[in-house]
Amino acid sequence: AQSVAQPEDQVNVAEGNPLTVKCTYSVSGNPYLFWYVQYPNRGLQFLLKYITGDNLVKGSYGFEAEFNKSQTSFHLKKPSALVSDSALYFCAVWDSGAGSYQLTFGKGTKLSVIP
Amino acid sequence: ETGVTQTPRHLVMGMTNKKSLKCEQHLGHNAMYWYKQSAKKPLELMFVYSLEERVENNSVPSRFSPECPNSSHLFLHLHTLQPEDSALYLCASSQAPGGDQPQHFGDGTRLSIL
Repeated sequence: AQSVAQPEDQVNVAEGNPLTVKCTYSVSGNPYLFWYVQYPNRGLQFLLKYITGDNLVKGSYGFEAEFNKSQTSFHLKKPSALVSDSALYFCAVWDSGAGSYQLTFGKGTKLSVIP
Repeated sequence: ETGVTQTPRHLVMGMTNKKSLKCEQHLGHNAMYWYKQSAKKPLELMFVYSLEERVENNSVPSRFSPECPNSSHLFLHLHTLQPEDSALYLCASSQAPGGDQPQHFGDGTRLSIL
């Protein structure tokens, strides 16, 4: 079975400060990991993914995420937060050995960037 | 411009009504998905279609009936819904089915059951 946890319902950060949104996962095989962002009244937008290779993945809008196999984590980061980054962020995982097409999403973390 | 268009954006219906949600993708993708998004809960995958064939059905009640007439269109037919079915219904598409492909989402249909 595959699962993903986002331990924080909400993260507040001042504009210009670095931000981190946490994600941990559990799979029996090799993980494929994703981050998506959802703005109010919109669908989810793909930010970045990790499949294999370099543990630091760079994505859209200056976001990056670091894959840590020993800690089973895939935290989303950005060096300098913008007010426009305020949104709902979802981590997702797919177990390549599970025999299912299902991508499992976390509950989401609401990011608020304070001017 | 998302490339995935959902209509209507909002729908209010009674428990005895029959209605349909429509999704169209302009990305040339071969896989399409229906998700249910409820407040404070993770996204729930409902159905997966690959080249018009249903390849995954996640124990969804029969009052939800999907239809995929071609690889660009996906419908969700609704009948005799319950109040707990009120949610945001999201359609998505990807190049191929499988969790290794990024999914492109529409903006959803906000469904309210009276």
